[in-house]
Amino acid sequence: DTEVTQTPKHLVMGMTNKKSLKCEQHMGHRAMYWYKQKAKKPPELMFVYSYEKLSINESVPSRFSPECPNSSLLNLHLHALQPEDSALYLCASSPGQGNGQPQHFGDGTRLSIL
Amino acid sequence: SQKIEQNSEALNIQEGKTATLTCNYTNYSPAYLQWYRQDPGRGPVFLLLIRENEKEKRKERLKVTFDTTLKQSLFHITASQPADSATYLCALEGRYSSASKIIFGSGTRLSIRP
Repeated sequence: DTEVTQTPKHLVMGMTNKKSLKCEQHMGHRAMYWYKQKAKKPPELMFVYSYEKLSINESVPSRFSPECPNSSLLNLHLHALQPEDSALYLCASSPGQGNGQPQHFGDGTRLSIL
Repeated sequence: SQKIEQNSEALNIQEGKTATLTCNYTNYSPAYLQWYRQDPGRGPVFLLLIRENEKEKRKERLKVTFDTTLKQSLFHITASQPADSATYLCALEGRYSSASKIIFGSGTRLSIRP
């Protein structure tokens, strides 16, 4: 079992739906990340939160909206997604941002857009 | 633009041999280089970190080297076992904490045959 928990594990949604992905860690980490991973490709960074503040947004379309309600929780709100947004969405955390600190990943939410 | 390449998409070797994976980069001067393992349907798992001023790091059967002149890292698994079969990702990070992020290489799918 990983120490970063992501829910749900699978999500199927239509292009007009609104849904949220949830990520939780209790390791006391202060940096949290969202990545998108397509099949046979490496994870691509979407957002970084450091001390509950958005630190990096990799020019992600506004139909993806991140939220960090507290130091243990990270959400990704989804609205009006496109079929090309179907992918594995990974959450990760690290003690802090930068300085080579290893990232701990959850097992992801597999998202399918109909 | 920054480019990170891992030598081959797939590598197939005999059990007991040493597996050597390569990570090359261009247009980048990373301060840190990490290696992760990813199994199908799971998130990446951190294996080793090496800093720009370090030449080599070891952990059990794993060894990483980092040559900033050649812009290359080598990742070795000695006495390989079928359980080592997975995708291995190198990840590079720059030196400024406030905007720091890791960029993953394309990955090498390693298969160890009995």
